[in-house]
Amino acid sequence: QIQLVQSGPELKKPGESVKISCKASGYTFTDYAMNWVKQAPGNGLKWMGWINTQTGKPTYADDFKQRFVFSLETSASTAYLQINNLNIEDTATYFCTRFPVWGQGASVTVSS
Amino acid sequence: DIVLTQAPLSVSVTPGESASISCRSSKSLLSSKGITSLYWYLQRPGKSPQLLIYQMSNLASGVPDRFSSSGSETDFTLKISKVETEDVGVYYCGHRLEYPTFGAGTKLELK
Repeated sequence: QIQLVQSGPELKKPGESVKISCKASGYTFTDYAMNWVKQAPGNGLKWMGWINTQTGKPTYADDFKQRFVFSLETSASTAYLQINNLNIEDTATYFCTRFPVWGQGASVTVSS
Repeated sequence: DIVLTQAPLSVSVTPGESASISCRSSKSLLSSKGITSLYWYLQRPGKSPQLLIYQMSNLASGVPDRFSSSGSETDFTLKISKVETEDVGVYYCGHRLEYPTFGAGTKLELK
């Protein structure tokens, strides 16, 4: 069946970087765009942007145009989200989604 | 930006009773293809969102028919009849016109 499996929880310090993976299975990876969604603790869902899995071209929502990088490893059917120069406000669960299928979420905690 | 406003923010329901959640859009969600781009999701505690309804009124695969949705181009209602324990969680409306946004969520609890 169609699945998106994300990497495990991360604990980082302010200023560090983190790279989250999202491995797809059960479908042709390049047939669907991959979206990323942020959910801060106790908050709702915020769309971060998407990446065209055929061309690799990323599109970022306004709040995520700095420090955030979407990338692909097409041969491994995997999408990545990298967050640079982490700050406390980046503490959240990050979901990849190939609508309507969602990954299980990857928790990132930023703490000094 | 299209803003989706949900009401209420929380609802407490007796098992077996019905519940309704409203979602109002700041712009029409009717696409040029004649599809209403309104989706309903349920996020159970500690889980990822699960699609319940797509294109305003279509039940997603595996979703019980206790769930239904209707609306216009800007005003939508999710109805849950005969609420069960498994329905507890946060309900989000969302759209995919322009770029996706979500409502703030409605937390459903049992009395």
